[in-house]
Amino acid sequence: AQKITQTQPGMFVQEKEAVTLDCTYDTSDQSYGLFWYKQPSSGEMIFLIYQGSYDEQNATEGRYSLNFQKARKSANLVISASQLGDSAMYFCAMREGRSNTGKLIFGQGTTLQVKP
Amino acid sequence: GAVVSQHPSRVICKSGTSVKIECRSLDFQATTMFWYRQFPKQSLMLMATSNEGSKATYEQGVEKDKFLINHASLTLSTLTVTSAHPEDSSFYICSASDSLAKNIQYFGAGTRLSVL
Repeated sequence: AQKITQTQPGMFVQEKEAVTLDCTYDTSDQSYGLFWYKQPSSGEMIFLIYQGSYDEQNATEGRYSLNFQKARKSANLVISASQLGDSAMYFCAMREGRSNTGKLIFGQGTTLQVKP
Repeated sequence: GAVVSQHPSRVICKSGTSVKIECRSLDFQATTMFWYRQFPKQSLMLMATSNEGSKATYEQGVEKDKFLINHASLTLSTLTVTSAHPEDSSFYICSASDSLAKNIQYFGAGTRLSVL
């Protein structure tokens, strides 16, 4: 069965520093997608970045990059130059296959606090 | 990214009443939408997958008659919590899958339901 694990319940980072949020996954499928979402205290889920299992290069979106290590089944999120507005809950998620009907399985989440 | 609108953002109702929550994809068509429930400081739990023009697929343990889902058009899915009770109080959030964007799921802002 597919599973997502985020082992860091809470993280602190100094403003302007980089931070890595860990995510490991387990699946027997060859085709899957990995996602990171940000959930501020308001509750909305904001899509940050996507990595397909067949993508050879690590995904990047502005200050966000995904460190994809397929053999280790890890998909860590790296946030560079942290800002106070980055304080939020972050969820890693996986979808098996590429279909639009594919369900997302979420990790437990990591709460990030950025210190001024 | 694509925009998903969810309404209402907050609702307070008396026990025994029914509450309808709407989820709209504003700038893309979504044959598949998803409904999640989230308890405080926990991860998202998938309740059901909503398919346009057909019956929803419910996750194990989710009462179909309690949580009615209708997906009548390519841009609108509704979740009706029937005969709501205090234990139904929660944060409900929907997502829509954008087939033109690697089937990334974009989320609405969520609905906080409080049943008195």
